[in-house]
Amino acid sequence: RKEVEQDPGPFNVPEGATVAFNCTYSNSASQSFFWYRQDCRKEPKLLMSVYSSGNEDGRFTAQLNRASQYISLLIRDSKLSDSATYLCVVNLPFSGSARQLTFGSGTQLTVLP
Amino acid sequence: GAGVSQSPSNKVTEKGKDVELRCDPISGHTALYWYRQRLGQGLEFLIYFQGNSAPDKSGLPSDRFSAERTGESVSTLTIQRTQQEDSAVYLCASSPWDEQFFGPGTRLTVL
Repeated sequence: RKEVEQDPGPFNVPEGATVAFNCTYSNSASQSFFWYRQDCRKEPKLLMSVYSSGNEDGRFTAQLNRASQYISLLIRDSKLSDSATYLCVVNLPFSGSARQLTFGSGTQLTVLP
Repeated sequence: GAGVSQSPSNKVTEKGKDVELRCDPISGHTALYWYRQRLGQGLEFLIYFQGNSAPDKSGLPSDRFSAERTGESVSTLTIQRTQQEDSAVYLCASSPWDEQFFGPGTRLTVL
């Protein structure tokens, strides 16, 4: 089983739609969770951090379910500019020299006019 | 403020040559990561530096790959005797704790 799993999509939705992505993780000791977005041929950029039960930033809402070991990202009123690949990232507790972050393979979103 | 910078932005080289890629992290970030991303693929972890601790090299694909970092400053990733399968975008990220901030990457093409 992969450490972080995402539905690769693609998700093709019309402008104004609401779309949700899920991400599951295998290590129950994971402490921090993030969503990044990556535009075509660009570097990943931090979209949201998810530290507790979830948080909201404008049209974007991230939820964390520790019992089921998944996080979700909800995008409301989607815009053409939301078209990108969304990466789920999970962080183990800080452990000195050990690698911390695990990236999912990403979910591709295309918002259609 | 200044973000993570990488150089060169593009590098074309011939098979068998050595290449050196540079990453300038955000000042004050103690952690630095190198990733490789092939076209249409996800991020592939290569190496991780945290302060003065021994680096985590578990992601390096072969002994042709090596990386160095002096203190909490610049890092270089060196690929010796490049192969065509090394063609990819090499991304560097720095981090103050949890969140990572990525540079624009170096696009490496091995002919």
